[in-house]
Amino acid sequence: DVKVTQSSRYLVKRTGEKVFLECVQDMDHENMFWYRQDPGLGLRLIYFSYDVKMKEKGDIPEGYSVSREKKERFSLILESASTNQTSMYLCASSPDRVLEQYFGPGTRLTVT
Amino acid sequence: GQNIDQPTEMTATEGAIVQINCTYQTSGFNGLFWYQQHAGEAPTFLSYNVLDGLEEKGRFSSFLSRSKGYSYLLLKELQMKDSASYLCAVRDSNYQLIWGAGTKLIIKP
Repeated sequence: DVKVTQSSRYLVKRTGEKVFLECVQDMDHENMFWYRQDPGLGLRLIYFSYDVKMKEKGDIPEGYSVSREKKERFSLILESASTNQTSMYLCASSPDRVLEQYFGPGTRLTVT
Repeated sequence: GQNIDQPTEMTATEGAIVQINCTYQTSGFNGLFWYQQHAGEAPTFLSYNVLDGLEEKGRFSSFLSRSKGYSYLLLKELQMKDSASYLCAVRDSNYQLIWGAGTKLIIKP
C-alpha cells in the first residue's frame, strides 16, 4: 500500500512565524503535490513537483514556497504565516501525471 | 474559467441507492476521478473514467458523458460507513486536477 505521511495532524502557529509542513511518501513516486482544503471550496493546488529539485506553482502559490531535495520528501513552507492561511493542508503523490493521487492524512493549521 | 459543480449535501437511507452528480466545464479533458473523504481524513481514490460509459466496482459505479460534461457516482446497498464527502475531480489539458467542492452524503438508518 502507498503510504503518504505528514509531519503533524494539528498545528497552531502565531502570525508572522515561519512554518514548515513535511510530507513523505514511501512508494518512489515521481510526482508530489500540496493542496489546501477550505469549507465550501474544492481542493486548491499550491505547488507541485514532478521530479527532485523541480517545483511548479499551482493556482494559489502566494505566501508559500516548497522544497524537494529528495524524491520521497516534499516540504511546504509558509514564510510568514497569516491568519488567512488557517486551513487543512493535504499532501499527495502519484506515480504518473495520469494516474490517481494518494493523499496524506492532512495537517490542520491554525494561525492566530 | 474552469468549474466543477456538485450538490453540497445529500441524504439517503441505509440499504438504498444514491446517485451523486457532477458537471464540469474545463479547458480540455483527460479523465475524471471520484474520491471519498471521511470527516477529518484524507481523500481516498474510488474511480476513474476517461471514456464514456459506466465503470462498475462492487457497490460503487461511475458514469461519464464527455459530450455533456457530466458524470455521476452511484452507490448501491448503502451502509452507514458510506457517510462521507464525495469529491469529483477533472484532469484538464495541462494534466492538472480541478476539484469540485464535494458532496456530503448523510446516511440515515
